[in-house]
Amino acid sequence: DVKVTQSSRYLVKRTGEKVFLECVQDMDHENMFWYRQDPGLGLRLIYFSYDVKMKEKGDIPEGYSVSREKKERFSLILESASTNQTSMYLCASKFFRANTEAFFGQGTRLTVV
Amino acid sequence: GENVEQHPSTLSVQEGDSAVIKCTYSDSASNYFPWYKQELGKRPQLIIDIRSNVGEKKDQRIAVTLNKTAKHFSLHITETQPEDSAVYFCATGSNFGNEKLTFGTGTRLTIIP
Repeated sequence: DVKVTQSSRYLVKRTGEKVFLECVQDMDHENMFWYRQDPGLGLRLIYFSYDVKMKEKGDIPEGYSVSREKKERFSLILESASTNQTSMYLCASKFFRANTEAFFGQGTRLTVV
Repeated sequence: GENVEQHPSTLSVQEGDSAVIKCTYSDSASNYFPWYKQELGKRPQLIIDIRSNVGEKKDQRIAVTLNKTAKHFSLHITETQPEDSAVYFCATGSNFGNEKLTFGTGTRLTIIP
């Protein structure tokens, strides 16, 4: 059974703080993704990675960075958190080959105050 | 980049009736079309997918149809049940190894008992 685990379910951070969201998968997936989910806007891709140390910008990368030092772990970093980054963040992973299912983590609800 | 539009944003149907959700996409290179279901407080999960060499696929009460010429695809749920209440997301992917999924904005389906 595939497991994608995000380090926190809920986080509250202050404006200007550096925030780390961690995601770990146990299925040896090559591809990992960070999405942001907001009401009425669906799932928007922030960054994705298809190999260790590789990263590609998604549709809304501004204000975020990522790190992939190990195959199973993909971190999302908010360099200086702002209130407009208050959102639900979802990590996902899948095999490199095309047209395969993506598996999601349980989500991290981040509130920036 | 790819743009996926999803309609309607909310849908209420009487239990036992059918529900239809429609998506259009812009990138003619897209050839993978999954649908994800997200129950309240849970992670999105794949419920059905279709590839571009197929026009229709059915799995029990759920079916997906694809019109590549018109660049639209639809999810059909027949004999709806209360457990079908959820948010449904369509998505598109292309036949590349570093495939990313572009999601629609979601449809909140409510089944009225």
